[in-house]
Order: sequence, then C-alpha cells, then structure tokens
Amino acid sequence: DSGVTQTPKHLITATGQRVTLRCSPRSGDLSVYWYQQSLDQGLQFLIHYYNGEERAKGNILERFSAQQFPDLHSELNLSSLELGDSALYFCASSAQGVANEQFFGPGTRLTVL
Amino acid sequence: GNSVTQMEGPVTLSEEAFLTINCTYTATGYPSLFWYVQYPGEGLQLLLKATKADDKGSNKGFEATYRKETTSFHLEKGSVQVSDSAVYFCALSDQGGSEKLVFGKGTKLTVNP
Repeated sequence: DSGVTQTPKHLITATGQRVTLRCSPRSGDLSVYWYQQSLDQGLQFLIHYYNGEERAKGNILERFSAQQFPDLHSELNLSSLELGDSALYFCASSAQGVANEQFFGPGTRLTVL
Repeated sequence: GNSVTQMEGPVTLSEEAFLTINCTYTATGYPSLFWYVQYPGEGLQLLLKATKADDKGSNKGFEATYRKETTSFHLEKGSVQVSDSAVYFCALSDQGGSEKLVFGKGTKLTVNP
C-alpha cells in the first residue's frame, strides 16, 4: 500500500459527460501528479500541483482541469468526454527533496461508452 | 525533450533464468532514474532508483546501474521467479522545474514455472 488513495476505482460513463476523479496523497506529501495510461500513448504526464499551486502541465487537453485543495487532496475534472479518453488515470505524490520518488495510487479506470 | 526508450516486449522466461531489460534515455542535465513495476490490476510501485552517475539501485534481487557514458539504466535480475511476472517501466525525472516522470513504454515480463 503506497498510502495514496484514489476514488472511484472504476467509472463508466457516456460521451459528452463530465466526471471528477479524486486523489488523496500520502500524509505530508505536498506534490500531486496526475498521469494517464492508455494502450496507444503509454504513461503520459498530465499535470503537477505543489501545495495548492499548479507547477507544470503536460499534454493535458483543454477539456481537462485539476486543482489541489488546502487539505492537499486533488481532483481531476474531465469534461465533454470522448471515447478516446478511456484510460487508467493515476495520481502520484512525493515529498519535496527526495529525488522525486513518486508514490502511485491504484488508479481510476475510466470507460467512456 | 527528455525521453526514455526501453526494449520492446513481451519477454517470456523460465523460472530461475537471467533477466535483462534494456533502458536508454535522452535528457539534459542529470536526471534521477527509476524502475517501476506494475502487477496485473494494480498501480505502479517503485522498484529501484539511482540519482547520480555510477549509482546502483537494488531491490528484491533486481539491480540497475546509472551509466552516464552510455545513457543507460538496464534492469537485471539473476534468477527470476513466477511472482516477478509484471510490466516494468523505466523512467526519468524531468529536471525542468516540475520533476515530472517521463516513462518508457513498458516491458511485459512473463515467467513460466
């Protein structure tokens, strides 16, 4: 158990809908990262938050957004969903200054029908 | 940009065989290097890491050495077990301020009894 929790575990929805994925980092970790894992693209970095502030963005679509709250949990919002958004979404957390050792949650599997 | 290339799988071995999974990287600066493992239906677990040239990371019988001269971080294990069957990802930490992870495409390992 990495100490990172993600909910829900599975999500099935329809095209055009909006969903929210939730992540709670390990106790004390200030950084939260979101990654997307798909068969064709592999593991892709989406976005990084540090202590409530956006630190970096990867190939994140404009339809996707995220935030980190004062209690350090993070949410990834996906809107106007398309079939191609079906993937595993992982959250990871890390402590500052530990060679960026990231601890991953179990993931949320999103299926868009 | 930074990138990681790892050998294409799948790799199928018999129990007690020697394992090598090749990984090379392209990066500016001196990134930290990682091997993550993903067991079926689970999230990613950090297997080992190395933070500077000539460092050797090791864990659970797996080893990898950070070779700056060949920009490589090959994963090895002397005697694999059925329980090692999983997907292995090589990754580097981007030094561009975010320290996001850049992953290779993954190598699926199957170990037969």
